[in-house]
Amino acid sequence: KQEVTQIPAALSVPEGENLVLNCSFTDSAIYNLQWFRQDPGKGLTSLLLIQSSQREQTSGRLNASLDKSSGRSTLYIAASQPGDSATYLCAVGPPFYNQGGKLIFGQGTELSVKP
Amino acid sequence: DTEVTQTPKHLVMGMTNKKSLKCEQHMGHRAMYWYKQKAKKPPELMFVYSYEKLSINESVPSRFSPECPNSSLLNLHLHALQPEDSALYLCASSQPGQGANEAFFGQGTRLTVV
Repeated sequence: KQEVTQIPAALSVPEGENLVLNCSFTDSAIYNLQWFRQDPGKGLTSLLLIQSSQREQTSGRLNASLDKSSGRSTLYIAASQPGDSATYLCAVGPPFYNQGGKLIFGQGTELSVKP
Repeated sequence: DTEVTQTPKHLVMGMTNKKSLKCEQHMGHRAMYWYKQKAKKPPELMFVYSYEKLSINESVPSRFSPECPNSSLLNLHLHALQPEDSALYLCASSQPGQGANEAFFGQGTRLTVV
């Protein structure tokens, strides 16, 4: 059974710091891994998706890496801003023919960036 | 357009009421999902529709009844709910079988059962 763990559960940093969020998963037979952002009471916004054959993806100040063999992914946020404050969720997905694209989520990292 | 639209944004219903949640996407995706999210917890899958057919039901109680009228619309019919069903209900869509199968989520419906 796939299990996804995110560390740390909460993180508070001063504005301008670079930071790393961690995600680990127990079964390396994944099709993709997605990082999402969720503001309080809101839906999920897709930040980055890494397919199983890829090692990293970048979007602006965000960089996500994937090491499938070790079951780990990291989300790197450069030059953090107060607007980055949110909960960050990673989710792994099996091939669609297996479990219909069901995403398994980690518990999330609640990030607070202080001005 | 990568938007998934959910209505209503908020819903308060009594335990004897019947209500429906609606979800719409125009990305041409052929897989649509309902997830349930309790406070401070990650989303949990409820149902998957693939090509307008129910492909996964995660042992959800029958008081929740999904419907997929066409490839763009997904409904969740609610009847005789319990207070513990209060949660954020999220709809998502993706395109199976091609490329990355990236999932896009709506803003959710905040449901309160009184």
